[in-house]
Amino acid sequence: QQQVKQSPQSLIVQKGGISIINCAYENTAFDYFPWYQQFPGKGPALLIAIRPDVSEKKEGRFTISFNKSAKQFSLHIMDSQPGDSATYFCAARVLNTGTASKLTFGTGTRLQVTL
Amino acid sequence: EAGVTQFPSHSVIEKGQTVTLRCDPISGHDNLYWYRRVMGKEIKFLLHFVKESKQDESGMPNNRFLAERTGGTYSTLKVQPAELEDSGVYFCASSQEYSYNEQFFGPGTRLTVL
Repeated sequence: QQQVKQSPQSLIVQKGGISIINCAYENTAFDYFPWYQQFPGKGPALLIAIRPDVSEKKEGRFTISFNKSAKQFSLHIMDSQPGDSATYFCAARVLNTGTASKLTFGTGTRLQVTL
Repeated sequence: EAGVTQFPSHSVIEKGQTVTLRCDPISGHDNLYWYRRVMGKEIKFLLHFVKESKQDESGMPNNRFLAERTGGTYSTLKVQPAELEDSGVYFCASSQEYSYNEQFFGPGTRLTVL
C-alpha cells in the first residue's frame, strides 16, 4: 500500500509558467514533508520542506502548500525555467521520534519546462 | 566536502549471479540508508544503519539481500542470487545524528538483471 500518492506522473510547462505537483498521504504520524529534486545521473537533493504546523512555506520561486485536514501538500514552482526540468519527489517522514528515520516517497513527477 | 559516493554506477548481471553495491557516506555521518527505485515507481526504503548497527531493516525484500556496515563507515549491499525483479536504481543516503538532519543522497547504482 502506497503511503504517499503523487500526481501527475509527468508535466510539461512553458517557460514562465507555474508548475504544480500534488501529493497526498495516509499516515497521520508523518510530521515532516520534504520535496526532492533529481537531475539525470544524480541522486535526489532536498529542495524545500515543511512541518505541519504551517500551511505554506516559500523559498524563492518554490512554495509548499500544506493542508493538514485533507492530508495533502503540493509544490508550486513559479516562473518555471528550463533549468527546473527534473524529476520531483514528495516525501514524508516521522520526525518526532528523536532518532533519525526513513523517508517515504511518492512516485515522482517528471517536469519538463519548454522554451 | 565530498558527498555520498556509490560504486558501481551501473551493473548488468544475469539472473542467478551475485552483485555487491558499495556506499561511502559523508564523513562523520552515523546514519546510512539504502533505498531502491524500481522503474516508474516510488523510491522505497530498504534499511537504515546507525553506525554499524541495523536500526531498521523493515524494507528489505527478502533474504537474498544482505547489507553490512563494518566499522560504521562504508556499507555494502549484496544481492545473491539476483532475480529479474531486483532491477532498479539503488540509492544510498547518509545523515548526521538527529532526526531533523537532512539525508544526503548518492547518485545511485543502476542494477539491471537479465
